[in-house]
Amino acid sequence: EAQVTQNPRYLITVTGKKLTVTCSQNMNHEYMSWYRQDPGLGLRQIYYSMNVEVTDKGDVPEGYKVSRKEKRNFPLILESPSPNQTSLYFCASSLLGSVGHEKLFFGSGTQLSVL
Amino acid sequence: RKEVEQDPGPFNVPEGATVAFNCTYSNSASQSFFWYRQDCRKEPKLLMSVYSSGNEDGRFTAQLNRASQYISLLIRDSKLSDSATYLCVVNKGLGGQNFVFGPGTRLSVLP
Repeated sequence: EAQVTQNPRYLITVTGKKLTVTCSQNMNHEYMSWYRQDPGLGLRQIYYSMNVEVTDKGDVPEGYKVSRKEKRNFPLILESPSPNQTSLYFCASSLLGSVGHEKLFFGSGTQLSVL
Repeated sequence: RKEVEQDPGPFNVPEGATVAFNCTYSNSASQSFFWYRQDCRKEPKLLMSVYSSGNEDGRFTAQLNRASQYISLLIRDSKLSDSATYLCVVNKGLGGQNFVFGPGTRLSVLP
């Protein structure tokens, strides 16, 4: 089954304790991206990747790192989480194809709480 | 000004009603446009792409006006199962894929 697998689904941590949220897709998609969703603000892009070893900042990259060593995986790393990073996070992937036909496939989300 | 703006909502409508959502975007170079549906705290799912000529999928009709930088979604004969948040999404297409999401409009269809 074609899917984006994101783990964990829920995570509670404390300020400053490094964490990683994993994201994996089995559709051979070139494009992968991370978003955070906060009430009233919609989804905001954190980082995205156009292919292996190619990553770029989105609109809200501060406090986050990513890596794309393999095509299928795109982990999100919080080196020193802070309470303002408490949010609902989504990973997504897509084929790089013709304009108007790009479909984003989303993982099921990670609800992160930083105390 | 936000890059993608939507009706603030929420919209509460009776079953069978017709409801229209509006969306505007600020970047005139935007390449492609979509409507996504999101159920509470779940992942967004593609509802439909939006093409310049307008397109229809069953009870759903999407329109794009590039000159006015405006996108719409019309839902006819609303069902209870249509209750969700509807997200307007624009791909800025600046040298690659860069999707921008609107804040969403919440729809509740009431029995």
